[in-house]
Amino acid sequence: EPEVTQTPSHQVTQMGQEVILRCVPISNHLYFYWYRQILGQKVEFLVSFYNNEISEKSEIFDDQFSVERPDGSNFTLKIRSTKLEDSAMYFCASSITGTGDYGYTFGSGTRLTVV
Amino acid sequence: AQRVTQPEKLLSVFKGAPVELKCNYSYSGSPELFWYVQYSRQRLQLLLRHISRESIKGFTADLNKGETSFHLKKPFAQEEDSAMYYCALSYSGGSNYKLTFGKGTLLTVNP
Repeated sequence: EPEVTQTPSHQVTQMGQEVILRCVPISNHLYFYWYRQILGQKVEFLVSFYNNEISEKSEIFDDQFSVERPDGSNFTLKIRSTKLEDSAMYFCASSITGTGDYGYTFGSGTRLTVV
Repeated sequence: AQRVTQPEKLLSVFKGAPVELKCNYSYSGSPELFWYVQYSRQRLQLLLRHISRESIKGFTADLNKGETSFHLKKPFAQEEDSAMYYCALSYSGGSNYKLTFGKGTLLTVNP
């Protein structure tokens, strides 16, 4: 069964540093997403991406965040200057349709720890 | 605004007992509802989506629009069902659909 792949599985970074979280969505999927889960809290939507541009973003997704699909296969989330409160599990997801009719496939996540 | 509520943070049952994980939603449009499962240290996996009306690993869920519920049920729980379960609603808040999740229910099935 096709999978969404995320790297690294765990990233530790110092406050103020830039981090890039990487994802390889399922090859025939057209819609891509980032979600995050702060420890003990629910999974929250960050951003959706379609046709090489952001289609929607949440209040969490401020100017410190950016996404990119640099080469047609990778889908990256960049945090420019990390804060302690960015520590969370970040999940990438992809779907065939924008309506999620067939569900959203999630990656195994990247645990980001900001120290 | 759309919202998904899972009232039970923790649920503990014995093996072989029936289990029901509750989910209620609030959404003005036509809902697309899902159950995701997260086994220890693993990814979120799609368990069920309401439009397919399928049964996966013995779990079923029926959408009740009158009660705005999408409870997950299994008649005989197994130890391997122990996991975190998330109910999620797919909605369009703009140009695209996205998921909003409940806070999750941690199911523990005891031997």
